[in-house]
Amino acid sequence: DQQVKQNSPSLSVQEGRISILNCDYTNSMFDYFLWYKKYPAEGPTFLISISSIKDKNEDGRFTVFLNKSAKHLSLHIVPSQPGDSAVYFCAALSNFGNEKLTFGTGTRLTIIP
Amino acid sequence: GAVVSQHPSRVICKSGTSVKIECRSLDFQATTMFWYRQFPKQSLMLMATSNEGSKATYEQGVEKDKFLINHASLTLSTLTVTSAHPEDSSFYICSAITGNVVFNEQFFGPGTRLTVL
Repeated sequence: DQQVKQNSPSLSVQEGRISILNCDYTNSMFDYFLWYKKYPAEGPTFLISISSIKDKNEDGRFTVFLNKSAKHLSLHIVPSQPGDSAVYFCAALSNFGNEKLTFGTGTRLTIIP
Repeated sequence: GAVVSQHPSRVICKSGTSVKIECRSLDFQATTMFWYRQFPKQSLMLMATSNEGSKATYEQGVEKDKFLINHASLTLSTLTVTSAHPEDSSFYICSAITGNVVFNEQFFGPGTRLTVL
């Protein structure tokens, strides 16, 4: 039972344009969401997070949007750079203070120079 | 950010043998460490939560007698895959937290690729 889903296994975006990665979840108990970036043969690296009490969080080129009613979040990267090419995972937590992450299946982002 | 290391980064073993993977927090004390595994093109699946000085808590479906976890100190947790079989071949990743409730302070190791022949 995949509680966090990333329906696009891959995405290609032209350098300089906006990359939009999507994530859907089914568990209404999730109240904190994170995005991780992962290169092959490496562990995930934290990018940005958002609490369920917010609908937007921005950090430099990265913005995460949360639509609680739709149980949907998205990560926007603008402008996209070649170094952004990686696999992106969204992850969710339930209950404040519980660090057990539930990960999505990942989206491979390729930035085309 | 804090650094978490894993050793070895890659291991190939014969079916039936046991393999130990180490996870170390290099510059902080990790009260809790997590072990994940990832199959190709799939998400990271939490296997177990390891707290220093106590028994690990395993997720449903994970055999605790097959995947032995020891968290002997605040900087070291080990995962031993006992009597490994080809279906155990996977990418194993650990992560560590400092005990701080700030969610983004979960630091991941670089992972260990296990191949069982």
